[in-house]
Amino acid sequence: GAVVSQHPSRVICKSGTSVKIECRSLDFQATTMFWYRQFPKKSLMLMATSNEGSKATYEQGVEKDKFLINHASLTLSTLTVTSAHPEDSSFYICSAVPSERELGGTQETQYFGPGTRLLVL
Amino acid sequence: AQSVTQPDIHITVSEGASLELRCNYSYGATPYLFWYVQSPGQGLQLLLKYFSGDTLVQGIKGFEAEFKRSQSSFNLRKPSVHWSDAAEYFCAVGVQGSYIPTFGRGTSLIVHP
Repeated sequence: GAVVSQHPSRVICKSGTSVKIECRSLDFQATTMFWYRQFPKKSLMLMATSNEGSKATYEQGVEKDKFLINHASLTLSTLTVTSAHPEDSSFYICSAVPSERELGGTQETQYFGPGTRLLVL
Repeated sequence: AQSVTQPDIHITVSEGASLELRCNYSYGATPYLFWYVQSPGQGLQLLLKYFSGDTLVQGIKGFEAEFKRSQSSFNLRKPSVHWSDAAEYFCAVGVQGSYIPTFGRGTSLIVHP
């Protein structure tokens, strides 16, 4: 159980275009999802917390207008990189936390998706 | 605020040898502790976690970790490493009521045949 998927797994786009990345919890409901960015040889940097039905909470230094997050349902959160530039190229990883009713109270454990490699030319 | 240190950037072991990856944390109370593994180009997979109780925690893929409060450590061990264990390993520390752990910078495990 506790499987999280991401789509696409990799994407190449031109500078100035927008890219949408989907994060889905496949076998559980997730009230909260997270979006991370990982630079090469670096640890994960939390970008934002996505809460179902409400606005995302962004970490300091992360541009809200550039990284649009929508958490429309208990199993889906999307990250849209708007007007992408080469410096946005990175590995984006989402994670999900089971809602209270699920998985016997493991709310402090995040389950990660496989990541999306974004390359902006 | 909590913090976590993984002192080793790279660890190289021979296949079949034992492994220990170090993790030290800083937090005033009892933390929640995690080890994740990341294969190249992949997301993170939870190996094991410690919330309370027995300080020796068994995980998947033959890994175990021991919480030592006196040393503020949560080292990951495996008695015999397989080539498929080559990956990046992240230690993370969390606190009760928070979904957001703090991740260490990771340790890259290289396995020689």
